[in-house]
Amino acid sequence: NAGVTQTPKFRVLKTGQSMTLLCAQDMNHEYMYWYRQDPGMGLRLIHYSVGEGTTAKGEVPDGYNVSRLKKQNFLLGLESAAPSQTSVYFCASSSTSGGAFGETQYFGPGTRLLVL
Amino acid sequence: GQQLNQSPQSMFIQEGEDVSMNCTSSSIFNTWLWYKQDPGEGPVLLIALYKAGELTSNGRLTAQFGITRKDSFLNISASIPSDVGIYFCAGHPTGGGNKLTFGTGTQLKVEL
Repeated sequence: NAGVTQTPKFRVLKTGQSMTLLCAQDMNHEYMYWYRQDPGMGLRLIHYSVGEGTTAKGEVPDGYNVSRLKKQNFLLGLESAAPSQTSVYFCASSSTSGGAFGETQYFGPGTRLLVL
Repeated sequence: GQQLNQSPQSMFIQEGEDVSMNCTSSSIFNTWLWYKQDPGEGPVLLIALYKAGELTSNGRLTAQFGITRKDSFLNISASIPSDVGIYFCAGHPTGGGNKLTFGTGTQLKVEL
């Protein structure tokens, strides 16, 4: 049981390049999330998914796209990378059991992205 | 978007000391969670709180869900070097569904 895994761990891009970050979870969780973490800002939600085939915008969605074609995978895409997207990206997942509130999120190890 | 106010921003304490940190919000939260993040790693859940007034312990860690539902506290007793890291509070605001709102973090440094 690996939990939540992310690939790649680190990437350097040039402005305008595109890339896809992959998140995989083996806990059969319905919900998946993508966050970015910047110094002094905590974690901010980019996009999330409440089930296979669904996606929704979070707090800072601009410049990113996501897809959830399989329940266990959640992809984050940058179509045209900008220096402002230099950050650490975390994926998380949670289940729907236990009622409407309080389902805890389990995080992956992060992807460090540098856009030059 | 809303972020939780977490204090202090950083702490530098001696090994063996007790540590207290808190998290406040201007709106009501239905749950409070405390995470720890080690350098180069993702956040790991420490304690989850589900009811106002709830006091929960996990080893040397104790957290409380404030009565007003607008704050939470985390205490660490007898700190040790491996307590070093960034501690984040997080919560589910009323009407926010499964989306978490995070605090800005408290960085803990322990002096031997």
